[in-house]
Amino acid sequence: QVQLVQSGAEVKKPGASVKVSCKASGYTFTGYYMHWVRQAPGQGLEWMGWINPNSGGTNYAQKFQGRVTMTRDTSISTAYMELSRLRSDDTAVYYCAREGKHRYYYYMDVWGKGTTVTVSS
Amino acid sequence: DIQMTQSPSSLSASVGDRVTITCRASQSISRNLNWYQQKPGKAPNLLIYATSSLKIGVPSRFSGSGSGTDFTLTISSLQAEDFATYFCQQTYRTPQTFGQGTRVEIK
Repeated sequence: QVQLVQSGAEVKKPGASVKVSCKASGYTFTGYYMHWVRQAPGQGLEWMGWINPNSGGTNYAQKFQGRVTMTRDTSISTAYMELSRLRSDDTAVYYCAREGKHRYYYYMDVWGKGTTVTVSS
Repeated sequence: DIQMTQSPSSLSASVGDRVTITCRASQSISRNLNWYQQKPGKAPNLLIYATSSLKIGVPSRFSGSGSGTDFTLTISSLQAEDFATYFCQQTYRTPQTFGQGTRVEIK
């Protein structure tokens, strides 16, 4: 079945970087954009950006420009999200989500289980 | 950025109740509006896309309507498994943005 399996929880110090992986299975990895969304404790959902696994092209939310890098390795159907210069308010659950499309409507139809990133000194 | 405002922020309801959640966009988003359900400790789950199209496998008691700036998610007869938080999302303009969520609790 279609699934996204994310890497395990991380604990980082302020100023460090974190790299989260998202391994896709059950579908053609290069056929669907991959989004990253985060959720701080008790808060709502925040879109971070997407990567086109076919071309490697990316589109980042302005808030994260300069700090986020999304990459992929098509040989192992895995997408990555790296966030640098971590701050305490980056503590959140980070989700990867596959983009579905119907005509010109877009949505996130498959989600990973999430990766908890804790930033603490 | 397009702001998405949901109301109410939370509600208490009983099994069998009809529940309506509203999502308002700060500018027109045509019908580029999706709804997700999230249970505690779990990832969001797509319910409805393009305002009113039900994802395959989602029960027919869920429905969506609206266009432009005002949208609604309706649960026609609330079931025990529907107690969760619901988020709307616009994909009309980048950055995609979500509503703050509506928590549906047991009365």
